[in-house]
Amino acid sequence: GAVVSQHPSWVICKSGTSVKIECRSLDFQATTMFWYRQFPKQSLMLMATSNEGSKATYEQGVEKDKFLINHASLTLSTLTVTSAHPEDSSFYICSARGPGRSYEQYFGPGTRLTVT
Amino acid sequence: AQSVTQPDIHITVSEGASLELRCNYSYGATPYLFWYVQSPGQGLQLLLKYFSGDTLVQGIKGFEAEFKRSQSSFNLRKPSVHWSDAAEYFCAVGRNSGNTPLVFGKGTRLSVIA
Repeated sequence: GAVVSQHPSWVICKSGTSVKIECRSLDFQATTMFWYRQFPKQSLMLMATSNEGSKATYEQGVEKDKFLINHASLTLSTLTVTSAHPEDSSFYICSARGPGRSYEQYFGPGTRLTVT
Repeated sequence: AQSVTQPDIHITVSEGASLELRCNYSYGATPYLFWYVQSPGQGLQLLLKYFSGDTLVQGIKGFEAEFKRSQSSFNLRKPSVHWSDAAEYFCAVGRNSGNTPLVFGKGTRLSVIA
């Protein structure tokens, strides 16, 4: 149990376009999801905390208008990178925490974004 | 503020040798501690976790970790390393609070040589 999926697993887009990444909890309901960004050979950096039915909480330095997060249901959160630029190329990982498992996070497999 | 320190950026061990990856944390309350492993281009896989109770925790793939409150440490160990263990290892700390994310260390890259 406790599986989190991400779609797509990798995506290439042109500079100036927008890309949506989905994060789904497959077998449990997740009231809270987290979005992380990871640059090559570096650790995970928290971008934002997404709560079902409310606005996301962004970390300092993360542009909320550029990285749009929507947590419309208890099993789905989406991250949209708007007007993507090459510097947005990165590995994006989501994790989910359920109401009955509030001390654990379950991670998705990640999405590799390349902006050309 | 909570923080996690992994002092070793890169470790190389011989296949069959023992392994210890260090992790120190700074936290104001009883922490929940985790070790994750990440292969290149992949997501994170949970190796083991500590919430309470026995301070020696057994995980998957033959890994174990020991919580030492007096040293604020949660070191990861394996008695005999396999070539497939080569990966990036992350220590993380969290707490039982719905909106609190995990805080990760910078990671230790493990290389295994024949």
